[in-house]
Amino acid sequence: KAGVTQTPRYLIKTRGQQVTLSCSPISGHRSVSWYQQTPGQGLQFLFEYFSETQRNKGNFPGRFSGRQFSNSRSEMNVSTLELGDSALYLCASRPTDSGTQYFGPGTRLLVL
Amino acid sequence: GENVEQHPSTLSVQEGDSAVIKCTYSDSASNYFPWYKQELGKRPQLIIDIRSNVGEKKDQRIAVTLNKTAKHFSLHITETQPEDSAVYFCAATLPGAQKLVFGQGTRLTINP
Repeated sequence: KAGVTQTPRYLIKTRGQQVTLSCSPISGHRSVSWYQQTPGQGLQFLFEYFSETQRNKGNFPGRFSGRQFSNSRSEMNVSTLELGDSALYLCASRPTDSGTQYFGPGTRLLVL
Repeated sequence: GENVEQHPSTLSVQEGDSAVIKCTYSDSASNYFPWYKQELGKRPQLIIDIRSNVGEKKDQRIAVTLNKTAKHFSLHITETQPEDSAVYFCAATLPGAQKLVFGQGTRLTINP
């Protein structure tokens, strides 16, 4: 099976702009989670979607949002970008009957 | 909520020696503990995991031990090789496996 894919891989934006990141899970996986990775804060959970419903949300401001489509693909959106949003954004998918999460390559976002 | 502490933050060992990384978790209800390896510029890759009903698990040179009473778990790498150099993350999750809570990571360097 193909692994988790994310697009774009790299992105440069300026403060105040908004950005949309995309994630395609492993075929058959209905759960998609998003994480933010920074040198200072490490890996932090953003949210998790299952069958188009958000089931869990981390401690991030409302500027961070997401959605999942009927084919399990997921997008996350960050509005009104701040310098501190510069990070590697990772998505992960997992099978319904397993706790194992498989990560995509990430989207590296730089906010100038 | 769940909190995971990981030590040490950096570890340097001679090739062929063993390496041990330790994590403690706060929520006794956590039931799944994966370990991820992340090489520079790459995605986190699952290397081993353990569930709360098991005390130890081995996979070739890698082993994980879990002490539920003390709420800590450890990664053991024996006969280390240069390709083991990477950042290692431990994580914990509660039943339902919706959200991984990660430790801060350990940068392991294998010296030839």
